[in-house]
Amino acid sequence: GENVEQHPSTLSVQEGDSAVIKCTYSDSASNYFPWYKQELGKRPQLIIDIRSNVGEKKDQRIAVTLNKTAKHFSLHITETQPEDSAVYFCAATKDSENYGQNFVFGPGTRLSVLP
Amino acid sequence: DTEVTQTPKHLVMGMTNKKSLKCEQHMGHRAMYWYKQKAKKPPELMFVYSYEKLSINESVPSRFSPECPNSSLLNLHLHALQPEDSALYLCASSQLRPDTQYFGPGTRLTVL
Repeated sequence: GENVEQHPSTLSVQEGDSAVIKCTYSDSASNYFPWYKQELGKRPQLIIDIRSNVGEKKDQRIAVTLNKTAKHFSLHITETQPEDSAVYFCAATKDSENYGQNFVFGPGTRLSVLP
Repeated sequence: DTEVTQTPKHLVMGMTNKKSLKCEQHMGHRAMYWYKQKAKKPPELMFVYSYEKLSINESVPSRFSPECPNSSLLNLHLHALQPEDSALYLCASSQLRPDTQYFGPGTRLTVL
């Protein structure tokens, strides 16, 4: 089955700096890669996603890149702000006909943005 | 409406109690999910329903019993739980094809 690794497990940056979180996956059939942000005591919320037919996607200060050959994808946050502090989870999934999706999550990265 | 709702927000129960968690979505999603999340860990998949039928059961103990009464509702019936079952229980919904899963706010469960 799919296995997703995520690094680093914790990341501290100064406000205004960039943050990069990297995930690797094992199943070459995986074709959808979302990133979720979870603040303390709250639900995971999608911040950006990418499909296997795209190499890069950007939404304001957030971008995701995908390297299918190397089977890794990365989250890039520029101009970090204190409100970016949270746990970030990557995930991978693939087509499964009518069975819904089995998201396999990475273990998470705790990002702290220091003012 | 892109919201998944869950009730109750908090639940404290003894090991002999029977309780139910409820989840509702009105986005027309045909897949619904139950996850268990322990502190500082990612969500762990428990059950998947597609077209109101159980399609994935990730070897969850029988003291957890899911139910999907219709395409908008998902329940999780709890009975004879153990203290180690204390966790945040998240419901989610999505389209069947690989796409965003929308999570509910969760139920914080404490088993005494």
